[in-house]
Amino acid sequence: AQSVTQLGSHVSVSEGALVLLRCNYSSSVPPYLFWYVQYPNQGLQLLLKYTTGATLVKGINGFEAEFKKSETSFHLTKPSAHMSDAAEYFCAVSGMEYGNKLVFGAGTILRVKS
Amino acid sequence: GAGVSQTPSNKVTEKGKYVELRCDPISGHTALYWYRQSLGQGPEFLIYFQGTGAADDSGLPNDRFFAVRPEGSVSTLKIQRTERGDSAVYLCASSLIHLTDTQYFGPGTRLTVL
Repeated sequence: AQSVTQLGSHVSVSEGALVLLRCNYSSSVPPYLFWYVQYPNQGLQLLLKYTTGATLVKGINGFEAEFKKSETSFHLTKPSAHMSDAAEYFCAVSGMEYGNKLVFGAGTILRVKS
Repeated sequence: GAGVSQTPSNKVTEKGKYVELRCDPISGHTALYWYRQSLGQGPEFLIYFQGTGAADDSGLPNDRFFAVRPEGSVSTLKIQRTERGDSAVYLCASSLIHLTDTQYFGPGTRLTVL
């Protein structure tokens, strides 16, 4: 079955440091790619998505992600972490090889230290 | 405008009982999705409606689970003879038309089966 892998169930960074959350997918055809964020006791919120076109995608709250076909990756980055970024982040994919449904990774909990 | 709403926010039931979970999508969204999120995992797809019809129900775990959307708006997820393993957060999402359109998620219903 096609899958989505998020490396690291927990990531801890200092405030002001670079945030890097990793996501790899398995499919032979480039899928549509998404990053969602889930704050405690809240619903999932879309950060950014890639469907076609420019491979570097900018999202809300200063986040961006780059689609790299050769690496089957869609890592999420933010240059400078803020305390308010502490949340759980989910990478998701969709497309023909995924049965046209959203398939989520297991999630990465981001902790930001002061 | 109003987002996706789900009721109840919490549901505690006893093993063997029947439960109904309701989802109110964003007005005008023709696509509606149900997902299940177990502790420490990403959301897992259950079923997808396009209008009134279930376009893909391949994620429903067994025949105890059923969902309807009779008028193409509100949807109800029904679980018969609940089991302790059904305990999870049930998420609903809606999108305008196509899967590549952003899916907007509700806050979820936390189901606990005792």
